[in-house]
Amino acid sequence: KAGVTQTPRYLIKTRGQQVTLSCSPISGHRSVSWYQQTPGQGLQFLFEYFSETQRNKGNFPGRFSGRQFSNSRSEMNVSTLELGDSALYLCASSRLGQGEATDTQYFGPGTRLTVL
Amino acid sequence: SQKIEQNSEALNIQEGKTATLTCNYTNYSPAYLQWYRQDPGRGPVFLLLIRENEKEKRKERLKVTFDTTLKQSLFHITASQPADSATYLCASAVDTGRRALTFGSGTRLQVQP
Repeated sequence: KAGVTQTPRYLIKTRGQQVTLSCSPISGHRSVSWYQQTPGQGLQFLFEYFSETQRNKGNFPGRFSGRQFSNSRSEMNVSTLELGDSALYLCASSRLGQGEATDTQYFGPGTRLTVL
Repeated sequence: SQKIEQNSEALNIQEGKTATLTCNYTNYSPAYLQWYRQDPGRGPVFLLLIRENEKEKRKERLKVTFDTTLKQSLFHITASQPADSATYLCASAVDTGRRALTFGSGTRLQVQP
């Protein structure tokens, strides 16, 4: 079974631009979560999608948004990029959804975003 | 606000010894704790999950404990090997079924041959 895939793996943007990152979950997984990882703040939860609906949202500004498609693939968008948005963006998928029994989250390799 | 901390930024041990990593939480009661391994340039890989009503979980050379009185989880790797060198992260969620994990800052384990 293929793992979680994220594209692109590396991205360089300049301040003020916007960026879209893509995540394909493991086949059969319905929940997709996004995390930001930086050396200073560690791994921080951005949001979770299940059945095309945002179920949970972390403490990030409105410049960070996402969506999920009917095939469970997800995208996240960051508008008006700032230098501090430079980070590793990780996507995780899980088989079960909100309110169901706890299960394992499988992480992708991440997208390394550099904002200049 | 809820906080989860891994006090040791780095841990160096000799091959064959037991590595013990600590995770402490404050201001909330997690429904479960998870431990992940992360290698440089890669996403975290799930290792073990322990629920609040469980004291101990084992998987091969790995053992995790959960002490709700001390608000602490310990993660042990017995008979450690150089291949165990990585960053280990603990994570938790308040409610069962929530995917919004709060992660600790991680402990970088180095196993010397």
